[in-house]
Amino acid sequence: DAMVIQNPRYQVTQFGKPVTLSCSQTLNHNVMYWYQQKSSQAPKLLFHYYDKDFNNEADTPDNFQSRRPNTSFCFLDIRSPGLGDAAMYLCATSRTGTSLNEQFFGPGTRLTVL
Amino acid sequence: QKEVEQNSGPLSVPEGAIASLNCTYSDRGSQSFFWYRQYSGKSPELIMSIYSNGDKEDGRFTAQLNKASQYVSLLIRDSQPSDSATYLCAVNIEGNTPLVFGKGTRLSVIA
Repeated sequence: DAMVIQNPRYQVTQFGKPVTLSCSQTLNHNVMYWYQQKSSQAPKLLFHYYDKDFNNEADTPDNFQSRRPNTSFCFLDIRSPGLGDAAMYLCATSRTGTSLNEQFFGPGTRLTVL
Repeated sequence: QKEVEQNSGPLSVPEGAIASLNCTYSDRGSQSFFWYRQYSGKSPELIMSIYSNGDKEDGRFTAQLNKASQYVSLLIRDSQPSDSATYLCAVNIEGNTPLVFGKGTRLSVIA
């Protein structure tokens, strides 16, 4: 089945220790998104890629970076995680050129910062 | 500021009843509208998409769109305890821009 895959599903890191979260997709979608979601809050968009074009939200902290080496893969790097970065990180994909712009989420990575 | 508003709830309904979830949006030019279901600790799951005025039905779910009133709703018929979740409304404001999400409504279906 075509899907969005995130690894790891759970990540524990120490304060200030860099961490990388990964996302892959078999949907052949050209747009990929990274969201941060904290408890009882809406998903907050961090970045998105239209193909190779990178789009950074204005309020995304500099501590967060992203890479998309090819159509299928996307990475979220947190350079120096703080306690406030503990959250669920969601990857999503969509395809341009469709009337609805439906967006599909992966299962998420739960990040804990000690 | 492009906004999507939802009542945070919780909305409690008895098993078998109709649950009605509502969403309003600020941008009159918005093009397509989505309902996601999110169970606690899980990721959002797309359950309904709609872009034309009127009703769209899929099983027990009906999405209703009224662009003149800038209002979209989700009806869940014959509600089950397994429908207990947070329901996120999302709006595509323009073309290929990212969706704007509401904060979600927590639904509790009581057996």
